[in-house]
Amino acid sequence: GAGVSQSPSNKVTEKGKDVELRCDPISGHTALYWYRQSLGQGLEFLIYFQGNSAPDKSGLPSDRFSAERTGGSVSTLTIQRTQQEDSAVYLCASSPSGQEQYFGPGTRLTVT
Amino acid sequence: GQNIDQPTEMTATEGAIVQINCTYQTSGFNGLFWYQQHAGEAPTFLSYNVLDGLEEKGRFSSFLSRSKGYSYLLLKELQMKDSASYLCAVRDPNSSASKIIFGSGTRLSIRP
Repeated sequence: GAGVSQSPSNKVTEKGKDVELRCDPISGHTALYWYRQSLGQGLEFLIYFQGNSAPDKSGLPSDRFSAERTGGSVSTLTIQRTQQEDSAVYLCASSPSGQEQYFGPGTRLTVT
Repeated sequence: GQNIDQPTEMTATEGAIVQINCTYQTSGFNGLFWYQQHAGEAPTFLSYNVLDGLEEKGRFSSFLSRSKGYSYLLLKELQMKDSASYLCAVRDPNSSASKIIFGSGTRLSIRP
């Protein structure tokens, strides 16, 4: 069956530009997570959505970062006025129950 | 908050056994995960422990001691394809949702 998909797979942008990253979770999964992973590092939690509940935004590093999830399915992570330190792989994961997470292939963001 | 510690790197020999340790300091506990991540790929789920004891799944086993804030992942009959990073993660009990926090990962190298 279809897994979690993310687009684009790679994004190169200039410092100061806005970017939008998309995540399509597995159908029926109520939980959706965004993480950031810098080269050789662990996963840094960004934001969590569960059903219709208010999202847990406690991991967002600054107000330049925002995310939404429409209709309980597709999610977009938006980074405004990108900075070089935003360069990383952005991973999305979905879960049917808040336990086992299924990860997408990630979006590699490079800010020049 | 959460603090998760695991060794940065480990090396083991093909056919042998290796144990990867993880300790966590939390104000409560609500489940611990192990994930495998090959270089350049997304993490994949290995195990989930919520009660004390050993959970065996083929060549991989995961152990949990809640009183000690300690878990380990045991890999038997090591194969070259087991070379990967192994990520320990805990569910944040202070979150009303299922926020999952990851450690920095242990990079395991298997030599012939």
